[in-house]
Amino acid sequence: AQSVTQLGSHVSVSEGALVLLRCNYSSSVPPYLFWYVQYPNQGLQLLLKYTSAATLVKGINGFEAEFKKSETSFHLTKPSAHMSDAAEYFCAVSDPQTGNQFYFGTGTSLTVIP
Amino acid sequence: ETGVTQTPRHLVMGMTNKKSLKCEQHLGHNAMYWYKQSAKKPLELMFVYSLEERVENNSVPSRFSPECPNSSHLFLHLHTLQPEDSALYLCASSQTGGTYNSPLHFGNGTRLTVT
Repeated sequence: AQSVTQLGSHVSVSEGALVLLRCNYSSSVPPYLFWYVQYPNQGLQLLLKYTSAATLVKGINGFEAEFKKSETSFHLTKPSAHMSDAAEYFCAVSDPQTGNQFYFGTGTSLTVIP
Repeated sequence: ETGVTQTPRHLVMGMTNKKSLKCEQHLGHNAMYWYKQSAKKPLELMFVYSLEERVENNSVPSRFSPECPNSSHLFLHLHTLQPEDSALYLCASSQTGGTYNSPLHFGNGTRLTVT
């Protein structure tokens, strides 16, 4: 069984500060992991993905995430927040063996303070 | 057109109406999905079609009826909905099978309001 936990439904950071959004997963097999971003009235857009290659994954818009098997974590970071980063962020996990089962976290709303 | 396209973007319907949501993917994927996104709730998987066969139906009420005529098109037929069905309905596609399964690619959704 797969599940995803995102700690903190709301995170606020100042413009220029570090962004850290937390994601922990539960999986019986080595999973694929994803981060998505959603802007108001839009669908989810893929930020980055981990598929058992390099543990540090770089995505779009300056975001990156590190897969830590020992901590079952896949936290999303960005060194310097921009106002345009304000959005809802979702962590997701899938089982590579089944391919069409995706499990999403409850989302974290990021606010960037000018 | 590229990616996943959903129409209409907004829909207001009465509880006795019948309407359909349409989704089209231009990515050559072999799986398509319907998700429901309500305020303050996690994303809810409704239906999954893989190679045009329905492989997942997450206890969705029968007033929602999916249709997948081919691998590029997905519909969600709606009838006698309830106000609590008001939500953002998201379509997604992916490529499954083999040694790598792609991420989900989402459309921009249909904002449904049931009055």
